[in-house]
Amino acid sequence: AQSVTQPDIHITVSEGASLELRCNYSYGATPYLFWYVQSPGQGLQLLLKYFSGDTLVQGIKGFEAEFKRSQSSFNLRKPSVHWSDAAEYFCAVGNDYKLSFGAGTTVTVRA
Amino acid sequence: KAGVTQTPRYLIKTRGQQVTLSCSPISGHRSVSWYQQTPGQGLQFLFEYFSETQRNKGNFPGRFSGRQFSNSRSEMNVSTLELGDSALYLCASSVEGTNTEAFFGQGTRLTVV
Repeated sequence: AQSVTQPDIHITVSEGASLELRCNYSYGATPYLFWYVQSPGQGLQLLLKYFSGDTLVQGIKGFEAEFKRSQSSFNLRKPSVHWSDAAEYFCAVGNDYKLSFGAGTTVTVRA
Repeated sequence: KAGVTQTPRYLIKTRGQQVTLSCSPISGHRSVSWYQQTPGQGLQFLFEYFSETQRNKGNFPGRFSGRQFSNSRSEMNVSTLELGDSALYLCASSVEGTNTEAFFGQGTRLTVV
């Protein structure tokens, strides 16, 4: 069965600094990979996805992620964080008509 | 283009009651899936429907059920509510399933008292 691990429960970053959120997955074949963001009390918004092809994918709001098959990782990055990026971020693997989510990483942005 | 619409947004029910939640997918999307989100268990998959057929079901008791209508709208039902069913229930729609992008609704916040 597939699983997703997000090692960091909480990250605090200064506004304007870079951000990297880690995601490791366990899955036999090439997975469908996603990053979602959730603001308090809201649904999930898709940031980006990886299905195949170029391993560096660009998403919305200036986010990008890199798929590394050798490390079973799909880390999310943003060069310069804005206060509005404070939220919870979820990595997910898609297979068999369902998404399996990591536990999430809460990002706090300090001024 | 309208997004995924879930109704109601908030719901308070008493233990032992039953509840029905509704989800209207994005126009043209035929796959609808449901997830339960709680602080302790995180996001857990409930079930997925495509063209009125359930293609996958998560590890939840039989009290949790769902269905999809011919217009792709979906409902989920929870019978004999327990305190532990308090959660944010999220619906997602996609064109075909997990090989295509899934878009989530705002969720229904269910509180069982």
